[in-house]
Amino acid sequence: DVKVTQSSRYLVKRTGEKVFLECVQDMDHENMFWYRQDPGLGLRLIYFSYDVKMKEKGDIPEGYSVSREKKERFSLILESASTNQTSMYLCASSPPGRGGNTIYFGEGSWLTVV
Amino acid sequence: LAKTTQPISMDSYEGQEVNITCSHNNIATNDYITWYQQFPSQGPRFIIQGYKTKVTNEVASLFIPADRKSSTLSLPRVSLSDTAVYYCLVGERNYGQNFVFGPGTRLSVLP
Repeated sequence: DVKVTQSSRYLVKRTGEKVFLECVQDMDHENMFWYRQDPGLGLRLIYFSYDVKMKEKGDIPEGYSVSREKKERFSLILESASTNQTSMYLCASSPPGRGGNTIYFGEGSWLTVV
Repeated sequence: LAKTTQPISMDSYEGQEVNITCSHNNIATNDYITWYQQFPSQGPRFIIQGYKTKVTNEVASLFIPADRKSSTLSLPRVSLSDTAVYYCLVGERNYGQNFVFGPGTRLSVLP
């Protein structure tokens, strides 16, 4: 079965802290994504990566960075956490090529910044 | 990516069939239509995908008319556990493809 694993389910961090959210997929997928989800705003894409060491900005990249050193791992970094980054963060992956857009999501990481 | 429009919310009763329609007027030739389900505090989960006509699996059916400008997700005999947000996604998967989720349809199944 397809599996996307997010390292932390719930985190509480202080304003100004550096925060790492880790995501691992076991499907050998080229594409990986980080979204955040807030009530009433749906899913918003932060960054995505289509290959190791490659990254592209999504709709809301400000305040975030990402790292993809290995194909199976995609990390989201909050350089200096702020309260407006309190949200649920979702990692996802998808295979490359034509034939549909099946995306596999992790369970989500709830981040609270105080 | 084709823009999609879905109803924001729907109510149904247990045992009824629920149909959720998604409009995607500018769908491209290579685009597929995919539906996802999301329960509270969980990531979205793939339900069904299609390109044209009808697709059925153990969970749902997907009806796509010949012009492909809309699609209808059909959930047979819903139960309380089908209460969730349902997202329609239209697009082609390529390297670096940016998948954009709309607000989805919040389905509430009542006893």
